[in-house]
Amino acid sequence: GESVGLHLPTLSVQEGDNSIINCAYSNSASDYFIWYKQESGKGPQFIIDIRSNMDKRQGQRVTVLLNKTVKHLSLQIAATQPGDSAVYFCAEIPSGSARQLTFGSGTQLTVLP
Amino acid sequence: SAVISQKPSRDICQRGTSLTIQCQVDSQVTMMFWYRQQPGQSLTLIATANQGSEATYESGFVIDKFPISRPNLTFSTLTVSNMSPEDSSIYLCSVDTSYNEQFFGPGTRLTVL
Repeated sequence: GESVGLHLPTLSVQEGDNSIINCAYSNSASDYFIWYKQESGKGPQFIIDIRSNMDKRQGQRVTVLLNKTVKHLSLQIAATQPGDSAVYFCAEIPSGSARQLTFGSGTQLTVLP
Repeated sequence: SAVISQKPSRDICQRGTSLTIQCQVDSQVTMMFWYRQQPGQSLTLIATANQGSEATYESGFVIDKFPISRPNLTFSTLTVSNMSPEDSSIYLCSVDTSYNEQFFGPGTRLTVL
């Protein structure tokens, strides 16, 4: 039969502005939450992770926030650059899963000049 | 980190045929995984490739359709058997070097006619 691809949520930001990408997760018993960046034609690239006992973690130009109460994860990118244009996925490692990742649906980020 | 290569990078195949995808890592790793990414969608775990034993498959994936080999700690293959157009996807292998850091190969883009 015909397969219909999903349309990824999209986010467009002006170059230099900050970006916030959101993700809702369902498994409250996950050990780690991870953000990946996937550029066209490439595999996902690890950006940053956060352990389930943390609320916030900062990296270079990126910050991940974890709100366990509402099962929400966000990725903030400061001073967004054209090279940040990609699809961003959140992923989680459920407890006891032998390290397999469960991926969220993804967001297409487009940086406008 | 780990450097991962996949062969082939892309292929166009006829319905009913099979394709074997190779994944090579530049260092010995314990855990190797195979994912499928259908057009415009997120990644779904197919199986965990176990060295020296049978792969562990996720719900919805079976060994007859996706046989996997893992002869050593740096190499694995995934075969997509008796292909149909619904198998058109990107197939990615990944490895993890620690509990929360998983690295992905560039993917194999498969089109089935």
